Amino acid sequence: DIVMTQSPDSLAVSLGERATINCKSSQSVLNSSNNKNYLAWYQQKPRQPPKMVVYWASTRESGVPDRFSGSGSGTDFTLTISSLQAEDVAVYYCQQYYSTPPTFGRGTKLEIK
Amino acid sequence: QVQLQESGPGLVKPSQTLSLTCTVSGGSISSGGYYWSWLRQHPGKGPEWIGNVFYSGSTYYNPSLKSRVAMSVDTSKNQFSLNLISVTAADTAVYYCARTRGPTVTNRVFDYWGQGSLVTVSS
Repeated sequence: DIVMTQSPDSLAVSLGERATINCKSSQSVLNSSNNKNYLAWYQQKPRQPPKMVVYWASTRESGVPDRFSGSGSGTDFTLTISSLQAEDVAVYYCQQYYSTPPTFGRGTKLEIK
Repeated sequence: QVQLQESGPGLVKPSQTLSLTCTVSGGSISSGGYYWSWLRQHPGKGPEWIGNVFYSGSTYYNPSLKSRVAMSVDTSKNQFSLNLISVTAADTAVYYCARTRGPTVTNRVFDYWGQGSLVTVSS
């Protein structure tokens, strides 16, 4: 199985500031035949299910604010929130869907400083 | 807007079978080429994929759980189900049903989720 490692475990950022969350996969999730990275990001607020915010490493899901952006390729990925809002407080997970079984990271808890 | 809702017992005894059903509304389980998934989440951890089922009945399971899992679909009720046999305390988790989409059978993301159902395994 591909192991997804996220850092940091938790992060406190001031409102309006940038938040950056990292994810590293134990092997590349880049498909060279279509040049796509099989990496998604999810947001999970307390007592709610996860909600997908980014897929193909950098494509925002419909309805997701443009302050959310994903980047990276191969084994190293980043989710950036350009200007943190109060409603962005959540745990964020990365997920690879390059190989079966799909696997998730352990999460990064994002809080307001 | 697709909605999913899990239902089933919240308490299961050790060695028995965990059974959950997911009811899909706002769309047909048979259309769109979507696979339907079960995942679970232990406290403080990321979700764990259990398996996928297609409306035709085709299934794909996580190898780590394959020997204990069975999934099925009832298109007439727009539902799909999970059975997990021989449960232990380690199977205590929040169980989610979800819709998946993606370019192939195995390369898929989870775009709609149910609210989750806490299942506790205890005597």
